[in-house]
Amino acid sequence: EPEVTQTPSHQVTQMGQEVILRCVPISNHLYFYWYRQILGQKVEFLVSFYNNEISEKSEIFDDQFSVERPDGSNFTLKIRSTKLEDSAMYFCASMMGETQYFGPGTRLLVL
Amino acid sequence: GIQVEQSPPDLILQEGANSTLRCNFSDSVNNLQWFHQNPWGQLINLFYIPSGTKQNGRLSATTVATERYSLLYISSSQTTDSGVYFCAVKAAGNKLTFGGGTRVLVKP
Repeated sequence: EPEVTQTPSHQVTQMGQEVILRCVPISNHLYFYWYRQILGQKVEFLVSFYNNEISEKSEIFDDQFSVERPDGSNFTLKIRSTKLEDSAMYFCASMMGETQYFGPGTRLLVL
Repeated sequence: GIQVEQSPPDLILQEGANSTLRCNFSDSVNNLQWFHQNPWGQLINLFYIPSGTKQNGRLSATTVATERYSLLYISSSQTTDSGVYFCAVKAAGNKLTFGGGTRVLVKP
């Protein structure tokens, strides 16, 4: 069964550094998403992407964040200058029809 | 925005017991999904159920959209059912709004 994949599974970075989280959505899916989950809290929406542009973003998704679909398969989330509070699990999801399918997540720790 | 409340927040079960988890939402929705977050943090799709009833093995779910709630039933629970169960809904736009989750611990 096709699935969403994410790399890396874990990343540790220093405050102020840039990180790029990578996702390969399910082939033929048209909508792509990033969500995050701070430890022990609920999953929060960050951004949705359709037809090569952002279709919706949350208040969390400020100028420090950007998304890109550099080729036909990858979907990336970049955090330009990480802060301690960016430490979280980041999930990529893709959707075709009405069901969103989530990747296994990247656990980001900012020191 | 839409509010999603799940209850109970925590549930401890003896292996073999049955349980019901509830999800209330504050507005009309056109999508509702249940997820199981396993101990490794992965979100596993359980059901896409904007209305009606579905069953998958020992799990079943019912959504009464007109009354703005959904129920997830776990029957004959097993230790592998432990984890956090999330309800997520889609109202306007395409984003999912998650509830706070129900943390389930099944004891052998």
